[in-house]
Amino acid sequence: DADVTQTPRNRITKTGKRIMLECSQTKGHDRMYWYRQDPGLGLRLIYYSFDVKDINKGEISDGYSVSRQAQAKFSLSLESAIPNQTALYFCATRAENQPQHFGDGTRLSIL
Amino acid sequence: LAKTTQPISMDSYEGQEVNITCSHNNIATNDYITWYQQFPSQGPRFIIQGYKTKVTNEVASLFIPADRKSSTLSLPRVSLSDTAVYYCLVGDNNDMRFGAGTRLTVKP
Repeated sequence: DADVTQTPRNRITKTGKRIMLECSQTKGHDRMYWYRQDPGLGLRLIYYSFDVKDINKGEISDGYSVSRQAQAKFSLSLESAIPNQTALYFCATRAENQPQHFGDGTRLSIL
Repeated sequence: LAKTTQPISMDSYEGQEVNITCSHNNIATNDYITWYQQFPSQGPRFIIQGYKTKVTNEVASLFIPADRKSSTLSLPRVSLSDTAVYYCLVGDNNDMRFGAGTRLTVKP
């Protein structure tokens, strides 16, 4: 969905580094989400936000943090990256009572 | 959250109708049933959503029986480009969880 943009699309980094993944949207949705997907598995929810400054933990929030400083932007941080955080990361947005719209993902490799 | 169960994989041929069934025995009164499609290295894409009976759009139909404990996604006349993973989700749109999905392979 071109209205949900994730940057970078690919990133390779080393263990212990701080990483930030960015998500921006032009849909005007108030709700935003971060998921990770491991090979052959479905998506797992990391964090979500219903409004600016609102932050909620998902299934697997340990090792991650997020920031929602503006309605259109939701960033995901890995404070000290570890190899088992290697995955495909997706951002999604949605309006109230509507389905989610996903970005095309960020492929993150941690060596 | 209601747990969903879908077949891990299905094969079909071009031009056939494909039906993928999802069971969700613990569905709650406020829950909707939503289906997404995902191609490799892309984000899931919304296909269809319903609450009860039948919903149809330009790409699929969703059949939901009266007890709502299962649902069936119907894809008419599939093509090779319909090869993807299909996810059934149940929830109130505030919190939906993805399972492993059904990997559909369409053969020529």
